[in-house]
Amino acid sequence: AQSVTQLDSHVSVSEGTPVLLRCNYSSSYSPSLFWYVQHPNKGLQLLLKYTSAATLVKGINGFEAEFKKSETSFHLTKPSAHMSDAAEYFCVVSDPPGSNQGGKLIFGQGTELSVKP
Amino acid sequence: GAGVSQSPSNKVTEKGKDVELRCDPISGHTALYWYRQSLGQGLEFLIYFQGNSAPDKSGLPSDRFSAERTGGSVSTLTIQRTQQEDSAVYLCASSLVWGGAPADTQYFGPGTRLTVL
Repeated sequence: AQSVTQLDSHVSVSEGTPVLLRCNYSSSYSPSLFWYVQHPNKGLQLLLKYTSAATLVKGINGFEAEFKKSETSFHLTKPSAHMSDAAEYFCVVSDPPGSNQGGKLIFGQGTELSVKP
Repeated sequence: GAGVSQSPSNKVTEKGKDVELRCDPISGHTALYWYRQSLGQGLEFLIYFQGNSAPDKSGLPSDRFSAERTGGSVSTLTIQRTQQEDSAVYLCASSLVWGGAPADTQYFGPGTRLTVL
């Protein structure tokens, strides 16, 4: 069974400082991993995804994530936070592409990011 | 092109009533998913459609929940005899299918917020 654990329910940073949102996963397969963002009263937006290509994945809005198999981690980072980054972030795991398992997404519990001026 | 659309955006109902939630996926997306986002349970998978068939219904919480998809496009999620614990945001997502398996990127609709009084 697949699962994902977000290690922090809430992270607070100052504008212009680095962001680190931590995620560990568990999977029997070589998983596909994603980060989604949800702004207040908005839908889920895909930030980036890892699907067994390069281990360092670049996403939108300056976010990056590094897949570390030895640590079963997929932490999300950004060098410099912006006020508009304040939102809830979800780490997500699914079966690998081409799998016949249906590709359902398994979500972490979410990390709420606050950005102080 | 148009994204995933859902209706209604908000639904308030009384305990014991039946409700229908609608999802219109991106044109050409054969795979369709329903998820539920609630305060207590986070984001959880409900059901997956490929075309008009549902190979994975494992997330439906009880037999009060059912879903159908017709014409390989629009899907309806029906909740019978609603309970207060059904209050949540119901999200729909769709994706392409390649070689019989869903692609890894799912596109989410804005959700339907269901409140059961």
